[in-house]
This record gives sequence, C-alpha cells and structure tokens, in this order.
Amino acid sequence: GAVVSQHPSWVICKSGTSVKIECRSLDFQATTMFWYRQFPKQSLMLMATSNEGSKATYEQGVEKDKFLINHASLTLSTLTVTSAHPEDSSFYICSAPDQGQGTLEAFFGQGTRLTVV
Amino acid sequence: GENVEQHPSTLSVQEGDSAVIKCTYSDSASNYFPWYKQELGKRPQLIIDIRSNVGEKKDQRIAVTLNKTAKHFSLHITETQPEDSAVYFCAAKGQAGTALIFGKGTTLSVSS
Repeated sequence: GAVVSQHPSWVICKSGTSVKIECRSLDFQATTMFWYRQFPKQSLMLMATSNEGSKATYEQGVEKDKFLINHASLTLSTLTVTSAHPEDSSFYICSAPDQGQGTLEAFFGQGTRLTVV
Repeated sequence: GENVEQHPSTLSVQEGDSAVIKCTYSDSASNYFPWYKQELGKRPQLIIDIRSNVGEKKDQRIAVTLNKTAKHFSLHITETQPEDSAVYFCAAKGQAGTALIFGKGTTLSVSS
C-alpha cells in the first residue's frame, strides 16, 4: 500500500520560534497533499491543501502567513509553523491520495505532536 | 463546502452488544465515505469505506450503510469486544483531489 512518512513525530519548541514539519510520499507521487490539525479530544480539522508547484489553498480562519506550506516536489510537502505560540500546540497530520491507484483512499502520515513552551 | 455531522459523541455498550454510529453530510457531490479508528497520538486507521454507488458494505463484524437520498451513512459493529473501544471518525470526500472532511468523532467504550 501507499506510504506517507511524516517527520518529526514530536517536537518541543520555544515560543516565538519556527518549526518545520515534513510530509513525504514514499512510493507514489502526490501532486496534492492535505494538512490537518487535531486538538486534544477533537476531530481532524483541515488546514490547507498543498499543491505541487503552486500556492497552497488555506481553509477559512487559517493564517497563511503563520502556517507556511511548500510543495516543491511530487513527493514532499512541508508545513512551517512560524512564530509559534502555546496555542499552536497540537497534533499536525498530513495525508495524500494515491491517485495512481485509482483509489479514493487517503494515506496519512504518522502525525507530529507539537508542543510550544 | 462539505459539512459532516456525527452522532453520538460517546457510546457505551456491553461486550457482545452492537454499536451504531451515524453521520450526515451536506454536499451531494461527495462520493466516498470512510470510517476511521484512532488511538491517542496515532494516525487514523481506515476500518471500512464505501463509495456512493454502493448501499452497503460488510467486513466481518463491521458494516457500513449509505443512504444517498438522505445523505447519511452509518457504521455498525456487531458482537463488540473491549478492544473495539476507541475513537471513531466518519468522513466524506468529493471529487478526486479534494480533502476528506471529518465528523467530530465518537468515543466508543465496550465494557466486559
């Protein structure tokens, strides 16, 4: 099956610093990847759609200048949380469809637990 | 955009009983409806899915039904076991290239 790898799995950073999270499709090409955020005991909320070679599309209420998304290749999308604050502490998870398989199934990365202190 | 409602938010059953979780969606163009089980701090695990051209799908103790007219779909777990205890999410998705939109989740507790 298709594999999506996300790194790091957890990170602790100081308030005001930036953190980069990587999402890689290991055995398929992903022209589109999706970034979600999940607060404790809540659901996965779509933050943005990452498009290879073009600008990301952000959901309403998500600050594009704070959550920088870069999708520079067909296998890698990165999410950078800039000037992180404690309220940004959350579980961030990416997903990608393997459209080459003709399936609608989404494949998820392992997720990144971000803690801002 | 798509909006997915999920009920109940918590569900407690006795071992061996059945459990049913229901979801409704708003976008009639949605055509893919997966169900996920998620453990704390882990990625969602797909347990069953259904496409809009199918009304029901079953996999051992798990089944999903879809009513396109009413725009709702349900997860049925029979003969529940303590290890079924987890958080379950439904989701809906439209055309290729669009994201899954998730329901708010159901915490299922199965007591022995």
